[in-house]
This record gives sequence, structure tokens and C-alpha cells, in this order.
Amino acid sequence: SQQGEEDPQALSIQEGENATMNCSYKTSINNLQWYRQNSGRGLVHLILIRSNEREKHSGRLRVTLDTSKKSSSLLITASRAADTASYFCATVYNAGNMLTFGGGTRLMVKP
Amino acid sequence: SQTIHQWPATLVQPVGSPLSLECTVEGTSNPNLYWYRQAAGRGLQLLFYSVGIGQISSEVPQNLSASRPQDRQFILSSKKLLLSDSGFYLCAWGRQGDTEAFFGQGTRLTVV
Repeated sequence: SQQGEEDPQALSIQEGENATMNCSYKTSINNLQWYRQNSGRGLVHLILIRSNEREKHSGRLRVTLDTSKKSSSLLITASRAADTASYFCATVYNAGNMLTFGGGTRLMVKP
Repeated sequence: SQTIHQWPATLVQPVGSPLSLECTVEGTSNPNLYWYRQAAGRGLQLLFYSVGIGQISSEVPQNLSASRPQDRQFILSSKKLLLSDSGFYLCAWGRQGDTEAFFGQGTRLTVV
């Protein structure tokens, strides 16, 4: 079953705007990862945040983690049409080392 | 550098036919290997994972099986496909002791 759930399921914005996607999970985690998937392709790892970290940056990406609320957010700043894709959060739980994926957010950036 | 190859990219199979999807990894040794399935517009469901040759763990009961005959080869099989086996199958690998996964390009399977 999916342990991480993204919100919203779909997001449509204009180029240049910021996009924020949220992820909630259920039990204690070792780390949380965000992946990107272009339509019909494999997933590409974007960023990993550990359970003892609160914020992490990578280029135009900013990830936050709130373990008290069991939630994370992915912010893409100054979005581009090429950012159009599905974005998934994946968690690794303390009980194991398997990645468990959420249902994803489908982001569309209009030029 | 490491690469992962998954084939075929698309496959249309009749109900009741067998299935064999192959995945190979290059440029690393003793990887963790994974098979995921993704339903249309949905997240990924972990089907099988392997931490070594001949070591396969199944996450969900189903009509599929997996094998790892060589260190960097992971095969997903079925003896008789069902309509419900249709989906997008993704192979992935990861380093021992690490949780980041590297994905292949996927196989879109349509059972008719």
C-alpha cells in the first residue's frame, strides 16, 4: 500500500510561477526522497532529505521536512515548461530500507 | 558510470501467454534490484526486490515471479498473463546500504 500521499494530485501553473507539492506519510522514516517522472518514462531522483534535516536546496528545488506533522513539501521556483512532469515522494521507513512511493502530483507548466 | 537497461519498451501480449521482462545493470556490482509496477496515473507498487543472486523477496502476492540468475540481471516472469497484469513495469537498482534508486525506462505491458 502507498504510505506517502502527495497533494495536490494535479497542479497547473504558468511559466515563472512557483510550484508547491506536499507529501504526507504515516510512520517514522529514515529519509524522504523526491523523484520526477516524465510521461511514460522512468523516475529520476531529485533530492533526499534525512529525518534529522528540516530543509534542503538543490538549484531551483527546495524541500522541507516536518517530522512532527509527518509531511514534506517540494517547491520548484521560477518554473519552466520543461518542469512539466509527475513528481513523487518516496519514504524509507525505520523498519526497513525499501522505498515506498506516493501517488504523485502531475505538474503542468504552461508556457 | 552505471547504467540500467530494461527491455522491451512496449509489449502487447494475449491473456494466458507467458511473460519475461529483463533488466540488467552495468558499472556496479552486488546492487539491490527492484521491480515496480505503476498503474495508469498512479504511484509505484513494489513487486519484488533482491539483495543478491538467487535472493528474491516478494512484496505482494500475484501472478508474477522474479529471478536473479546473475549479479546484475533481474527478470520478471509470468506463466500465464491476466488482464490485470497490464501496466507500466519499472526496474530499478540501488547501492547496498543506500536507499536512492536508479530507474530504467520502463516497459509498458498491455494484456489483451
